Amino acid sequence: DTAVSQTPKYLVTQMGNDKSIKCEQNLGHDTMYWYKQDSKKFLKIMFSYNNKELIINETVPNRFSPKSPDKAHLNLHINSLELGDSAVYFCASSPTSDRNEQYFGPGTRLTVT
Amino acid sequence: GQNIDQPTEMTATEGAIVQINCTYQTSGFNGLFWYQQHAGEAPTFLSYNVLDGLEEKGRFSSFLSRSKGYSYLLLKELQMKDSASYLCAAQSGGSYIPTFGRGTSLIVHP
Repeated sequence: DTAVSQTPKYLVTQMGNDKSIKCEQNLGHDTMYWYKQDSKKFLKIMFSYNNKELIINETVPNRFSPKSPDKAHLNLHINSLELGDSAVYFCASSPTSDRNEQYFGPGTRLTVT
Repeated sequence: GQNIDQPTEMTATEGAIVQINCTYQTSGFNGLFWYQQHAGEAPTFLSYNVLDGLEEKGRFSSFLSRSKGYSYLLLKELQMKDSASYLCAAQSGGSYIPTFGRGTSLIVHP
């Protein structure tokens, strides 16, 4: 059974397009996250949701919009994609928001051409 | 702001012991995590320290000194499969925001 799953695993698209990445966790965790890992492997938090409510929103362009329909799902929609958005995007979850023992999804490699 | 420093790369021999250091500067520090990430894969949780001292878990141990803003991950009896990137992450603030270092790429050779 997959604990944290993401779709798609690979995404190749052109500049200016809009795309979404989906994430689901079946661990019963309260908190979910989106991270961006660039080509230099630097892992940076983008958003965090606790029980469907946004609790962390780091400096991210407003072209990125997370949506949490329920506490098991946290999707990421990206408008007007740019070359610099190319990266691996990881979804993660943790039991609560105050302890960051996180379980990561397999990642979505986004390539913008 | 937040700052996490760790060496970019280390090499070690199979069977040996290696220590990966991490220094951090954060306001409102409330915990230090270590993750392992193999190439092309997701990070996986290794350890969590909130109090000063050494936490041991099998071949891996993690140490924290809050007063010095310093942690290390100790890997014993190195195996080839330990070749990976090791990420140090400091958790801080009321929202427990995790800030990751750039990772230390460990290469284990025979």
